[in-house]
Amino acid sequence: NAGVTQTPKFQVLKTGQSMTLQCAQDMNHNSMYWYRQDPGMGLRLIYYSASEGTTDKGEVPNGYNVSRLNKREFSLRLESAAPSQTSVYFCATRTTVNTEAFFGQGTRLTVV
Amino acid sequence: AQSVSQHNHHVILSEAASLELGCNYSYGGTVNLFWYVQYPGQHLQLLLKYFSGDPLVKGIKGFEAEFIKSKFSFNLRKPSVQWSDTAEYFCADSPSGNTPLVFGKGTRLSVIA
Repeated sequence: NAGVTQTPKFQVLKTGQSMTLQCAQDMNHNSMYWYRQDPGMGLRLIYYSASEGTTDKGEVPNGYNVSRLNKREFSLRLESAAPSQTSVYFCATRTTVNTEAFFGQGTRLTVV
Repeated sequence: AQSVSQHNHHVILSEAASLELGCNYSYGGTVNLFWYVQYPGQHLQLLLKYFSGDPLVKGIKGFEAEFIKSKFSFNLRKPSVQWSDTAEYFCADSPSGNTPLVFGKGTRLSVIA
């Protein structure tokens, strides 16, 4: 039982390059989230998907797109990476009843 | 907008000292409150949660938190910290089961021998 799996774990991009961060869960949860973590800023919500087929913007969506491919997978895409997107990205999942969120191991992204 | 405030940015304690980390939330309706811990280089793990009932919540590793509705607070406590408690601690709130968690900025705890 892997829980929430993120790939890759580390990535270095050049400014302007694109990439997709992958998240897959085997917990049968409806809701999935992408957060970014920056020093002194806590975790900020980028996008979320309350259920398969729906996505919504969070606090800091600019420069990102998402796809809820199916119930298990929720990807985050950077179309043209910028140094300001250097961060640690966490995927999380949650059921729709009142429970906690479960987090993946994170992707450390550096944009140079 | 919903917000969570953690007033302590960095706390340094000696082993065996008592810990209290402050957390205040803004939303006055239904509460779903959480404390998460992040050890260096790792992901977030749940310490404890509160939805309703007894306002004193016990979690893992000897942590507890007290929900005080009148103060919009959910402070984390531990009677005696250990070096292994060195980590970053995040308070979070979610007004309903389908609302994304909103996190505070975190408190870094350093425990020294």
